[in-house]
Amino acid sequence: AQSVAQPEDQVNVAEGNPLTVKCTYSVSGNPYLFWYVQYPNRGLQFLLKYITGDNLVKGSYGFEAEFNKSQTSFHLKKPSALVSDSALYFCAVYSSASKIIFGSGTRLSIRP
Amino acid sequence: DTGVSQNPRHKITKRGQNVTFRCDPISEHNRLYWYRQTLGQGPEFLTYFQNEAQLEKSRLLSDRFSAERPKGSFSTLEIQRTEQGDSAMYLCASSLAGLGGYGYTFGSGTRLTVV
Repeated sequence: AQSVAQPEDQVNVAEGNPLTVKCTYSVSGNPYLFWYVQYPNRGLQFLLKYITGDNLVKGSYGFEAEFNKSQTSFHLKKPSALVSDSALYFCAVYSSASKIIFGSGTRLSIRP
Repeated sequence: DTGVSQNPRHKITKRGQNVTFRCDPISEHNRLYWYRQTLGQGPEFLTYFQNEAQLEKSRLLSDRFSAERPKGSFSTLEIQRTEQGDSAMYLCASSLAGLGGYGYTFGSGTRLTVV
């Protein structure tokens, strides 16, 4: 079965520093991977996706993610964090059964 | 069309009562999904429709839960005889079939509190 794992419940970063939110995946076949962000009391917003092609995927709000097949990882990154990036981030994988499976989430906290 | 709309935004109900939520997807999207999210957790898949056909139901969807999409447009999710464990955010999403790999558009959710 397809799945993703987010090993960190919380990531704390100072504003202006680079950030990384980790995700590893377990899939059979080629993975379709996503990152979503959720602000308080809001639905999920799509950030970026990896389908095929370049291993570095660029998305919304200056985020990017690096697909690494050998390490089965899809880490979310941003070169310079903003306080407004503080939110809940979910890694997800498109399963063969036509649905997206989400990880447990990582709370990102950016301190001024 | 401004996206996926869910109503109500919040619902407080007494244990044992029935509740119904509504989702209006993006009009050209033929797939509609329901997820449940509890505090601090990732969304869990409940069920999905392609047009009016319900194609898959999770084991999480007990017989107290029923979902419909009668005309292939809006959908309703009904919970009968609510229990405190049903308290969660219920999220609806839509997409185009065949482009599921491009992700979904989510609504803002309905937060259910069972007291």
